[in-house]
Amino acid sequence: DSGVTQTPKHLITATGQRVTLRCSPRSGDLSVYWYQQSLDQGLQFLIQYYNGEERAKGNILERFSAQQFPDLHSELNLSSLELGDSALYFCASSKNTGELFFGEGSRLTVL
Amino acid sequence: GQSLEQPSEVTAVEGAIVQINCTYQTSGFYGLSWYQQHDGGAPTFLSYNALDGLEETGRFSSFLSRSDSYGYLLLQELQMKDSASYFCAGEYSGGGADGLTFGKGTHLIIQP
Repeated sequence: DSGVTQTPKHLITATGQRVTLRCSPRSGDLSVYWYQQSLDQGLQFLIQYYNGEERAKGNILERFSAQQFPDLHSELNLSSLELGDSALYFCASSKNTGELFFGEGSRLTVL
Repeated sequence: GQSLEQPSEVTAVEGAIVQINCTYQTSGFYGLSWYQQHDGGAPTFLSYNALDGLEETGRFSSFLSRSDSYGYLLLQELQMKDSASYFCAGEYSGGGADGLTFGKGTHLIIQP
């Protein structure tokens, strides 16, 4: 158990819909990262937050947005969903970027 | 942006030693991490190298050579449970626009 909690574990929705994925980091970790992993693909960095502020942005689509709240939990919002958005979405937290602790992921299926 | 290259698949025999290589772009490079991911599971941290040389953690070791822009993960006394995907990940400074950049992963197949 990494100490990072993600909900929901599985989500099935239709194209055009909007979903919110939630992440609670390890106690004491200020940084939260979101990654997308499609079938047989590596981990694509989406966005990083540090203590409530956006720190770094990767290949995150404009249809996607995220935020980190004062209690340090984070939410990733995915809107106008397309079939290609089906993937595993991982949240990770860390005290330093060399070592990330990943949650179990949220598996999104868009039909 | 930064990119890391690693083989897509490696096959080895139970009890043997296997090395998984990773080459990376040097601009802004700070350190190299390795992660293990079993099918359907979460990536888990294995090791981190910021300095040249070998870091040993039990059966797993990781090596970094900055002059060659190259690192590897060495797995000894292979066990069937080591069958997984292994990702190298580069930590880059200077704004960290890409966060921690992962390679596409190496699928390790272990045969009895």
